[in-house]
Amino acid sequence: QKEVEQDPGPLSVPEGAIVSLNCTYSNSAFQYFMWYRQYSRKGPELLMYTYSSGNKEDGRFTAQVDKSSKYISLFIRDSQPSDSATYLCAMNSDSSASKIIFGSGTRLSIRP
Amino acid sequence: KAGVTQTPRYLIKTRGQQVTLSCSPISGHRSVSWYQQTPGQGLQFLFEYFSETQRNKGNFPGRFSGRQFSNSRSEMNVSTLELGDSALYLCASSLDRLNYNEQFFGPGTRLTVL
Repeated sequence: QKEVEQDPGPLSVPEGAIVSLNCTYSNSAFQYFMWYRQYSRKGPELLMYTYSSGNKEDGRFTAQVDKSSKYISLFIRDSQPSDSATYLCAMNSDSSASKIIFGSGTRLSIRP
Repeated sequence: KAGVTQTPRYLIKTRGQQVTLSCSPISGHRSVSWYQQTPGQGLQFLFEYFSETQRNKGNFPGRFSGRQFSNSRSEMNVSTLELGDSALYLCASSLDRLNYNEQFFGPGTRLTVL
């Protein structure tokens, strides 16, 4: 079993829909949770960074962490075609780069 | 502020050759980490550098090496290339060793080994 599981998709939704992207994990030591967006032929771009449990909102994006269920989510409101990309979750037990575990990514397509 | 830059963007090499990839971090960032991204394995950690010292290394063979210079620029080298080394190699920079969870990635170098 992988430490971080992420549905690869592809996920296709109409423009304006609310998108829900999720990851589950098995390591209870994870306490830092990140979401990255990666466009084709580009490097990942950090979207959201949260510590421990709870919600964090930034514009149309909301990140949720439920440590009791070992489950994290990224919600995108009013989705736009420009949101079409691969979304990667990532987790860490401390601040070291060597311990960051990335999900395999979910490919998202927003239909105009 | 300029982002992380990586050169070259694309490389085609043949088996047995060696390659050097370069990364310039965001100005003021002192930490650089390298990752390999493939469709099968996803993003995997290669190295972590701070103050010209390798702080951690991922589970890759000794053919993969790197270094960091006094201006925080970093290079990675892969010797005796194998077909399986074909991947997107990503460099990420962060302010210091306490901020690896807030990394900024470059566009990557796409390496193809024939």
